[in-house]
Amino acid sequence: SYVLTQPPSVSVAPGKTAKISCVEKNIGTKSVHWYQQKPGQAPVLVMYYDSDRPSGIPDRFSGSNVGDTATLTISWVEAGDEADYYCQLWDNNIYHWVFGGGTKLTVL
Amino acid sequence: ELQLVESGGGLVRPGGSLRLSCAASGFPFSTNTMSWVRQAPGKGLEWVSSITAESTYIYQADSVKGRFTISRDNAKNSLFLQMTSLRAEDAGVYYCARDQGPQGYYMDVWGKGTTVTVSS
Repeated sequence: SYVLTQPPSVSVAPGKTAKISCVEKNIGTKSVHWYQQKPGQAPVLVMYYDSDRPSGIPDRFSGSNVGDTATLTISWVEAGDEADYYCQLWDNNIYHWVFGGGTKLTVL
Repeated sequence: ELQLVESGGGLVRPGGSLRLSCAASGFPFSTNTMSWVRQAPGKGLEWVSSITAESTYIYQADSVKGRFTISRDNAKNSLFLQMTSLRAEDAGVYYCARDQGPQGYYMDVWGKGTTVTVSS
């Protein structure tokens, strides 16, 4: 089964680029999705199928998935991007939905 | 407007039972796989269980197998989670979510959650 490893925290200055990784062996062969969760709120889908953005998500958000690492990239980071971010995939071998442990993005 | 509204959370003693409900509106409920995801206080997201559109297939996390049962009533646009033999580690916020797939399921609509507290 898959275990998705994310860094517990990432810090970035406003206007800079944040990269949040999600690591698992051969994750590049799976579709990875990303959620943003602000304190006291429900998660919000920000990226699906590795690099597709839902409507309403700014194009500052982008995604990639190659080899053993999926990455959510947030360009021109704003204070409002401060949140927890979770990667997720569907393990079709055992029909389980799998979440990463989450990354707290801090905007300095 | 797409909406999922959970209810049924509350305080329950260890070993007790609780039934969560999720009311869906704004989309054809009967065509989507639906899921429950939980979040313990201060912790990350944990998938709990999912059910396909016609209830043909049900999937569960190992941590709840044999204790939790997911079901749905498409005529009433409702999703349920029957929880029994509750443990302290089952406490948290329970979210109902709509799945999209099937080429790698993801959750595109989430409710605001309902809180389950397990304590004596």
